[in-house]
Amino acid sequence: DTAVSQTPKYLVTQMGNDKSIKCEQNLGHDTMYWYKQDSKKFLKIMFSYNNKELIINETVPNRFSPKSPDKAHLNLHINSLELGDSAVYFCASSQVLDWPPSPLHFGNGTRLTVT
Amino acid sequence: EDQVTQSPEALRLQEGESSSLNCSYTVSGLRGLFWYRQDPGKGPEFLFTLYSAGEEKEKERLKATLTKKESFLHITAPKPEDSATYLCAVQGERGGSNYKLTFGKGTLLTVNP
Repeated sequence: DTAVSQTPKYLVTQMGNDKSIKCEQNLGHDTMYWYKQDSKKFLKIMFSYNNKELIINETVPNRFSPKSPDKAHLNLHINSLELGDSAVYFCASSQVLDWPPSPLHFGNGTRLTVT
Repeated sequence: EDQVTQSPEALRLQEGESSSLNCSYTVSGLRGLFWYRQDPGKGPEFLFTLYSAGEEKEKERLKATLTKKESFLHITAPKPEDSATYLCAVQGERGGSNYKLTFGKGTLLTVNP
């Protein structure tokens, strides 16, 4: 009955490789997000998709490419991985309404380590 | 740009010792202020949403309050299981802002038995 699930939970790879993280939500929400949490635990938004349409793209390098095949899935593909990409990546979802503002529901994260 | 500042960065309490966490924010038109709890190795877990100054919400030992510039998370008689990182986030009214939350860096709370 997991609401927002991400795979894999851990990802260890070498510099220069390409990797993907998958996310699925079963809450029926229309908006999904990718957030990055750095070593100082700071959560920062990367992307937001509403009904498969990209809404927010926050100064993220072009090496990061999100893809939403349907509104229940949002994947993150990263090309040419760099050491600085090491972080925990969180997927989240919400139902965006005019009112009231909706909380985000987060997955348990994917810890990416680039060596 | 929306900004959220949380203090203190870390707080260590004895079991039963009440205290408060602070969240100061700057946002162009506040739609909502959110409190989350994050345990190690887990994603943030939603606690409260506050919409307007003067509003209060309670859940067990936690009470969240909101003014026009800041929010407090009051913890009454905490237990060791309340140990976690508490995150504050805001959602503003600027274009596209209702499609994201801006987070603070969190307060790491440790409650010793």
